[in-house]
Amino acid sequence: ETAVFQTPNYHVTQVGNEVSFNCKQTLGHDTMYWYKQDSKKLLKIMFSYNNKQLIVNETVPRRFSPQSSDKAHLNLRIKSVEPEDSAVYLCASSLRRANTEVFFGKGTRLTVV
Amino acid sequence: GDSVTQTKGPVTLSEGTSLTVNCSYETKQYPTLFWYVQYPGEGPQLLFKVPKANEKGSNRGFEATYDKGTTSFHLQKASVQESDSAVYYCVLGNQGGSAKLIFGEGTKLTVSS
Repeated sequence: ETAVFQTPNYHVTQVGNEVSFNCKQTLGHDTMYWYKQDSKKLLKIMFSYNNKQLIVNETVPRRFSPQSSDKAHLNLRIKSVEPEDSAVYLCASSLRRANTEVFFGKGTRLTVV
Repeated sequence: GDSVTQTKGPVTLSEGTSLTVNCSYETKQYPTLFWYVQYPGEGPQLLFKVPKANEKGSNRGFEATYDKGTTSFHLQKASVQESDSAVYYCVLGNQGGSAKLIFGEGTKLTVSS
């Protein structure tokens, strides 16, 4: 099966901890993304990588850092989580950089207590 | 900057009734417009896209026309089913190569039998 796979599905952690989320796509795409979806279902792009190069870096707190080892993998690390980081983090990929279908994973739900 | 505004939800309909979700966009470029749908527990998935002004897109009984004159891209379906219950996003993709999709705020649709 070809798709976008995220782990873990859920994560509960305390304020100040570090967390990492993993994402892998088996679609052969060149571009990968991290989106944040809040409790009101608002979707905002955080980062985008094309062939391991960062091409979009929205206004995101510095405690968030993406990591790409190859074009099929894009991880997200949060150094010291805050309560406002509670959200669903969606990984996605696309064949090209713009105006093309984006395929999403099922998301990682982060709860910060 | 680019933006998308759509019908504020939630929207509740009975099976067999018609649906319209309004979508307006703002951009100085020539975008591709998309409708994405997100079912519970899943990531958003493409419903359809329309790359050119004055053209119509459709899928699974849903349709929308890219109206450059009124900068609108309203989603319509003549007869909704319970399985259409989901969150619908109007999305703008710019052509600047920055790989950003701009999502509307989403409209949650619940269809009851």
